[in-house]
Amino acid sequence: DSGVTQTPKHLITATGQRVTLRCSPRSGDLSVYWYQQSLDQGLQFLIQYYNGEERAKGNILERFSAQQFPDLHSELNLSSLELGDSALYFCASSVNIAGAPYNEQFFGPGTRLTVL
Amino acid sequence: SQQGEEDPQALSIQEGENATMNCSYKTSINNLQWYRQNSGRGLVHLILIRSNEREKHSGRLRVTLDTSKKSSSLLITASRAADTASYFCATALSGAGSYQLTFGKGTKLSVIP
Repeated sequence: DSGVTQTPKHLITATGQRVTLRCSPRSGDLSVYWYQQSLDQGLQFLIQYYNGEERAKGNILERFSAQQFPDLHSELNLSSLELGDSALYFCASSVNIAGAPYNEQFFGPGTRLTVL
Repeated sequence: SQQGEEDPQALSIQEGENATMNCSYKTSINNLQWYRQNSGRGLVHLILIRSNEREKHSGRLRVTLDTSKKSSSLLITASRAADTASYFCATALSGAGSYQLTFGKGTKLSVIP
């Protein structure tokens, strides 16, 4: 158990819909990362938040957005869903102490999204 | 595009044998990390090696890093059936406070009892 929790575990929805994935980082971790894992694209970094602020963006579509709340939990919002959005979505957290860039990331169990 | 490329894509060995997986990357890195993923589950961090380190050990794991060749290898000694999983290398490109990881496509290891 990494200490990172994600809900829900599974989500089945239809094209055009909007869903929200939730992540609670490990206690004390300030950074949250979102990744998408699909068969054809592999593991892709989507976005990072650090202590409530967006820190880096990767291959995140404009239809997707995220935020990190004052209690440090994060939500990933996916809208206008397409069949190709079906994937495993992982959240990870790390400490990221300033000046100490050598951080491992702790991954949650993932949310499996199926778009029909 | 993927920063890291693992080789081989799949590896099948007998229990007790050693397994070696390689990873190549393209740009300068801050550190390189190896993760394991059991089928459809979350990734588990195995080991982190910094760009100024050449070799690191953790239990049955040995990781090497050659920054001149931009490559790393993960050796699992005396493999067990429970080591069956996909193994990913991930490179950390630090900058402006972001420590995002860029993953390779992974090596699928099967350890036959």
